[in-house]
Order: sequence, then structure tokens, then C-alpha cells
Amino acid sequence: EDQVTQSPEALRLQEGESSSLNCSYTVSGLRGLFWYRQDPGKGPEFLFTLYSAGEEKEKERLKATLTKKESFLHITAPKPEDSATYLCAVRETGANNLFFGTGTRLTVIP
Amino acid sequence: DAGVTQSPTHLIKTRGQQVTLRCSPKSGHDTVSWYQQALGQGPQFIFQYYEEEERQRGNFPDRFSGHQFPNYSSELNVNALLLGDSALYLCASSSTGGAWGDEQFFGPGTRLTVL
Repeated sequence: EDQVTQSPEALRLQEGESSSLNCSYTVSGLRGLFWYRQDPGKGPEFLFTLYSAGEEKEKERLKATLTKKESFLHITAPKPEDSATYLCAVRETGANNLFFGTGTRLTVIP
Repeated sequence: DAGVTQSPTHLIKTRGQQVTLRCSPKSGHDTVSWYQQALGQGPQFIFQYYEEEERQRGNFPDRFSGHQFPNYSSELNVNALLLGDSALYLCASSSTGGAWGDEQFFGPGTRLTVL
């Protein structure tokens, strides 16, 4: 059965203090790993798709990396507007659905 | 280009009632998935529609049903509402077999409260 575990559950950073969010996954065959950002009461906003170990993608202050067992979302010099819940999801080979973790709630303090 | 739209934004129902939620996919997308997100949890997959057929279903009872129309829009119906059905219901659209990749794009959600 698919499993996605995100850590930490919550993270408070000072503005400019870089850090990483972790997503550990167990899946029989990985079709893709997805990162989303979700603001309170809103729908998830797509950030990245990663397909194979060693792959990296960047967008502004965010960089996502993938290994065979986990993915990291690195946040460099975060700003208060980066405060949100970051969700990780996997799609198994042959399946059409996304299986989500419970997210990391990030708060960036000015 | 309009993204995924959902209606209504909020809904309050009582136990035992029935509810219909609506979704219009992003332009160019032909596949619609529905997810339920309880407070503090990640979204959970309900089902996916493609070519007006339910293509895959998650672990939800048959009180949850859906439909996809020829214009690719979709409805989610929930019968005999329970208190535990209170959640944010998310619609996600994607393209099957196209050049758009695997990404699913989410709408703003419908907040359902069951009293």
C-alpha cells in the first residue's frame, strides 16, 4: 500500500532562514512525485513534478529533489509570503490518482 | 485562461440530506478527479472520470457518486449525509494521453458543513 510521510508537521522560520521539508514515500512503482502549496481554505497549487531519482527542479526560492525513497523541498531565504502548507503526493505506476501526505505547515516570521 | 472552477463555494446541509457539487475543468483538460480533504489532513482520492465513465475509485462508500458531461465538466453527489462528510471537496483536472503531462490542477474547493 502507498505511504507518504511528511516531516516536520510544522516549521517556523525567521525570514531569510533557509531549511528543507522532507517527504518519504513507499510505492511499488513510482510514476511521479508531486509538490503542492496550499493556503488556508484554498485548493492546492501545483509546484513541481519529479519522475526519477536524481532529478531536481527549481522555482524562485524553492528547489525540489528526488531520491529512490524520499524527496526534499528546499526553501532558500524564505519570505513571509512563503507561509503555507506544503503537500507531497505520489502517483503509482498504473494508477490515476494522487496519494497525499498530511503536509508540512510552514510559517515564516518577518 | 480560466483554471478549474467549482461551485458552490460553501454549503451547509443537515444529516440525511443529499448534496451536489459541480466542477469545470481547466481549458484543454478532459479528466476530472475528486478529492475529500478533512481539516489538517491531505486530500483523499474519491474517484476519477474520463470519457464520461468512472475510471478509478478510492475507498469511499457508494453514497458518493459522480457524473461527467460531454463538455468534461463533472458533478459529485453525496447521499444520506453524515457528520463525518464535513470537509473541503476538491476537484482536480488533468489531461489523459495528451502533451500536458501528469499534473493535476486543483480548483478552490467547496466547503461542505453537515449539521
